Amino acid sequence: DQQVKQNSPSLSVQEGRISILNCDYTNSMFDYFLWYKKYPAEGPTFLISISSIKDKNEDGRFTVFLNKSAKHLSLHIVPSQPGDSAVYFCAASARSSFGNEKLTFGTGTRLTIIP
Amino acid sequence: NAGVMQNPRHLVRRRGQEARLRCSPMKGHSHVYWYRQLPEEGLKFMVYLQKENIIDESGMPKERFSAEFPKEGPSILRIQQVVRGDSAAYFCASSRNTDTQYFGPGTRLTVL
Repeated sequence: DQQVKQNSPSLSVQEGRISILNCDYTNSMFDYFLWYKKYPAEGPTFLISISSIKDKNEDGRFTVFLNKSAKHLSLHIVPSQPGDSAVYFCAASARSSFGNEKLTFGTGTRLTIIP
Repeated sequence: NAGVMQNPRHLVRRRGQEARLRCSPMKGHSHVYWYRQLPEEGLKFMVYLQKENIIDESGMPKERFSAEFPKEGPSILRIQQVVRGDSAAYFCASSRNTDTQYFGPGTRLTVL
């Protein structure tokens, strides 16, 4: 039962344009969402997070949007740079429920930025 | 300010041997999580520990796997009698409380 889904295994974007990565979830108990970036043979690197009380969070070139009614979130990267080429994972947790802080990950989207 | 440390980075074991994976959390972090990533898959939660306590082990296989986070020293993930299906990347993450989890570089376990 995949509770966090990233339906696009790969995405190619021209350098300088906007990259939009999507994520859907099914568990209505999730209240905290994160995006991680991962290079081969390295651990995931935290990018940005959003709590369920917000619908948008911005940090530099990265913006995360949350649509609770649709159980959907997206990560926007603008402008896209070659160094952004990596696998991006969406993750979710039910943080308000003690002992339930574990992260549930999507299967990842491989982003390739074309110079 | 050192990040999450894991060692070894690569570990090769023969079937039936034991594997011990170590994780030192970031300074000031008392929450440790272990995740496993099989080839071409996302990360799957295994276990969540605080000092001397297992909080959630719902993702741990019932047999051969154990984890600890002693009062002193790193967290240890132990796999007894390894099988080929245990070959994976094992990631440790730590957090200060229930906030953002920061990941280590992982241990890549290969079972021959």
